[in-house]
Amino acid sequence: AQSVTQLDSHVSVSEGTPVLLRCNYSSSYSPSLFWYVQHPNKGLQLLLKYTSAATLVKGINGFEAEFKKSETSFHLTKPSAHMSDAAEYFCVEGSYIPTFGRGTSLIVHP
Amino acid sequence: SQTIHQWPATLVQPVGSPLSLECTVEGTSNPNLYWYRQAAGRGLQLLFYSVGIGQISSEVPQNLSASRPQDRQFILSSKKLLLSDSGFYLCAWHRERRKGNYGYTFGSGTRLTVV
Repeated sequence: AQSVTQLDSHVSVSEGTPVLLRCNYSSSYSPSLFWYVQHPNKGLQLLLKYTSAATLVKGINGFEAEFKKSETSFHLTKPSAHMSDAAEYFCVEGSYIPTFGRGTSLIVHP
Repeated sequence: SQTIHQWPATLVQPVGSPLSLECTVEGTSNPNLYWYRQAAGRGLQLLFYSVGIGQISSEVPQNLSASRPQDRQFILSSKKLLLSDSGFYLCAWHRERRKGNYGYTFGSGTRLTVV
């Protein structure tokens, strides 16, 4: 069965510093992995996706993620955080029935 | 272009009243459709998914039901709401898997408060 683990429920950074949101997956076949962002009381917006092409995936708003099969990880990074990045982030394994991680709340301090 | 519409945006309903949330997709055919619920401070829970008209799969036992009367319409219903049905409900669609995995597109959500 698929599962997705987001290792941190909250991540707090200062504006201008790097962001790292961690995600580990388990899947018995080649995974399709996604990161979504959700601002308060809004739907989910797709940031980026990995579907067995390049292992380093670039997304919108300066985010990127690296697929590491040996570590079963798909961590989300951004070199420099902006205040507008404060939101809830979800890692999803979606090769069959979509499986969501529990989410990581990103807090950005001025 | 492909869009997904979900309504209403917010809803306050008394315990024991019925519920109907609607989701429609435009610009695609034969989408896979999903209903999720997000309770306060928790992740997303898959409630139902559908791969075609009249085909509904339920992921968890609950007080809710779903129907797909048309290819691009997905309805979430309840005959009698419970307090525990409160939450943020999201509809999503996904391209038929044979056509590639482009991710899931979500509606803007419905905030349901049962009082």
